[in-house]
Amino acid sequence: DTAVSQTPKYLVTQMGNDKSIKCEQNLGHDTMYWYKQDSKKFLKIMFSYNNKELIINETVPNRFSPKSPDKAHLNLHINSLELGDSAVYFCASSPPGTLQETQYFGPGTRLLVL
Amino acid sequence: GENVEQHPSTLSVQEGDSAVIKCTYSDSASNYFPWYKQELGKRPQLIIDIRSNVGEKKDQRIAVTLNKTAKHFSLHITETQPEDSAVYFCAASRGDMRFGAGTRLTVKP
Repeated sequence: DTAVSQTPKYLVTQMGNDKSIKCEQNLGHDTMYWYKQDSKKFLKIMFSYNNKELIINETVPNRFSPKSPDKAHLNLHINSLELGDSAVYFCASSPPGTLQETQYFGPGTRLLVL
Repeated sequence: GENVEQHPSTLSVQEGDSAVIKCTYSDSASNYFPWYKQELGKRPQLIIDIRSNVGEKKDQRIAVTLNKTAKHFSLHITETQPEDSAVYFCAASRGDMRFGAGTRLTVKP
């Protein structure tokens, strides 16, 4: 199956914990992204990596650290989780060439911080 | 940076009617404008896109128009069906895609 996949699908955790979300794409894409979708459904870009290099880093707390071991993977590590981090996190990827390309989204990870 | 505004935030139509969603963008360098559909609990999926060298694009019941001078673009859905009910997002990109706030479309049978 060619796709963008994320694990876990659901994540429920206590405030202050550290957690990671993994993303993998087997589409051969060079660029990967992390988005946060809040309860009002607003989709906001957090990070973008092109060939393992960070190219977009929005105003995101430094508790959030992306890691790209290779161009098919972009993981998101979150330290000291806060209540406001509760959201759906989507990974996405886009084909080689330019950044102005269709983005293919993963299924999302629903994070709930208690 | 780019700022994308989307209207309306909610839209309710009768099955068979047309639906129009409008977006404006601020950065004249943006040159790629996709539209995504997100069903409840699902991922956003591309339904149509347009590049800045084109004024209009159509795919069956959906069409997108782009006015570069006015910096706005619109999604048109004709002959709406209940399965068109979803949240629709517009986006504008010149390398860093910015999404509108979304429009929740409800098609009543």
